[in-house]
Amino acid sequence: EVQLLESGGGLVQPGGSLRLSCAASGFTFSNYAMSWVRQAPGKGLEWVSALSGSGGNTYYADSVKGRFTISRDNSKNTLYLQMSSLRAEDTALYFCARLVGYWGQGTLVTVSS
Amino acid sequence: DIQMTQSPSSLSASLGDRVTITCRASQGISNYLAWFQQKPGKAPKSLIYAASSLQSGVPSKFSGSGSGTDFTLTISSLQPEDFATYYCQQYNSYPYTFGQGTKLEIK
Repeated sequence: EVQLLESGGGLVQPGGSLRLSCAASGFTFSNYAMSWVRQAPGKGLEWVSALSGSGGNTYYADSVKGRFTISRDNSKNTLYLQMSSLRAEDTALYFCARLVGYWGQGTLVTVSS
Repeated sequence: DIQMTQSPSSLSASLGDRVTITCRASQGISNYLAWFQQKPGKAPKSLIYAASSLQSGVPSKFSGSGSGTDFTLTISSLQPEDFATYYCQQYNSYPYTFGQGTKLEIK
């Protein structure tokens, strides 16, 4: 059974940093591109970033480019999202996803002073 | 970037009804289109991939169609558990983009 478990969310001040993790199981992690998708309170889904299975290709939404870095450790079956220069508008529930089939339950990031 | 436009934004329907949600892409995406269902406080659930292929375990009351720029999700015989928000997403090219969502409510 495919499982994705996010962690690392929390409250952070504007301008701060946070690293999210997503532990994957139930499939050959290195064979799949992985994504982060977020959802601000009461809003729709926003694709944030993706990374190829090998980690060699990265993709970002314009809203996070230059501030967020996606990475993975295939030996640990774990996906990461390093977030820096955080803004209030980054406040959201962040989902790890193996699109288009599987989603984690999300981890909440709140950016507030 | 490819823009995805869903219609309607909200929809009221009765138990037993059949409803259709439309998703239009700003440029051709072949059949690289997925549909998701989301209930409040929950992660999205994948329903359809490749425009018309049903995810494993998803009941056949859900069906998708379309190719190129115009797509539809049809839900037949609405039951209480079907009332949720539905999203389309294109995965033809990055950035992968979502529609704004369609909230399906009980009439």
